[in-house]
Amino acid sequence: EAGVAQSPRYKIIEKRQSVAFWCNPISGHATLYWYQQILGQGPKLLIQFQNNGVVDDSQLPKDRFSAERLKGVDSTLKIQPAKLEDSAVYLCASSSTQETQYFGPGTRLLVL
Amino acid sequence: QQPVQSPQAVILREGEDAVINCSSSKALYSVHWYRQKHGEAPVFLMILLKGGEQKGHDKISASFNEKKQQSSLYLTASQLSYSGTYFCGTEARVSGNTPLVFGKGTRLSVIA
Repeated sequence: EAGVAQSPRYKIIEKRQSVAFWCNPISGHATLYWYQQILGQGPKLLIQFQNNGVVDDSQLPKDRFSAERLKGVDSTLKIQPAKLEDSAVYLCASSSTQETQYFGPGTRLLVL
Repeated sequence: QQPVQSPQAVILREGEDAVINCSSSKALYSVHWYRQKHGEAPVFLMILLKGGEQKGHDKISASFNEKKQQSSLYLTASQLSYSGTYFCGTEARVSGNTPLVFGKGTRLSVIA
């Protein structure tokens, strides 16, 4: 069974630029999560989708972050414009139930 | 509310045992344990549900005391491969969907 796929793996941008991350969850997993993990911290949930609907986006900075999962499978997370404090690893995870979450390799973002 | 993990870091020699604790100020429905190696995605270890259960596989086990709102992860006869950062994720599930909230992690280093 293929795992959660993410791209790109690394991205370096300057502040005020925009960036987008892509995630392909494990086949058949209805729930998809985007997390932000700052160095030395645990993952922090940004947004949770159930199929193509948003379940929880209470911690998503909506003035600059947006996410979509149009067909209930792949998802994209966008930051526009980026700030220095957005430098982090962005992890995508998926689950078939509310239980075990399987994480992708992450996208490491550096904002200069 | 973010769970508190202790210790923050621990160094073991191969074959030694370790205990990692996770405590919450909220009543918990479940506790999830993950291990993350440097530069990699978090890997699921186990989930403990409300009911005060204990789980384990191989030489890694965990307990969940819902009255104390605490969980402990036990690593026995540690191996070099156990090195990494261990995160607990807690779920309160007061009503409807409640996301996992991860602790700051415990960095475990096993040396020969």
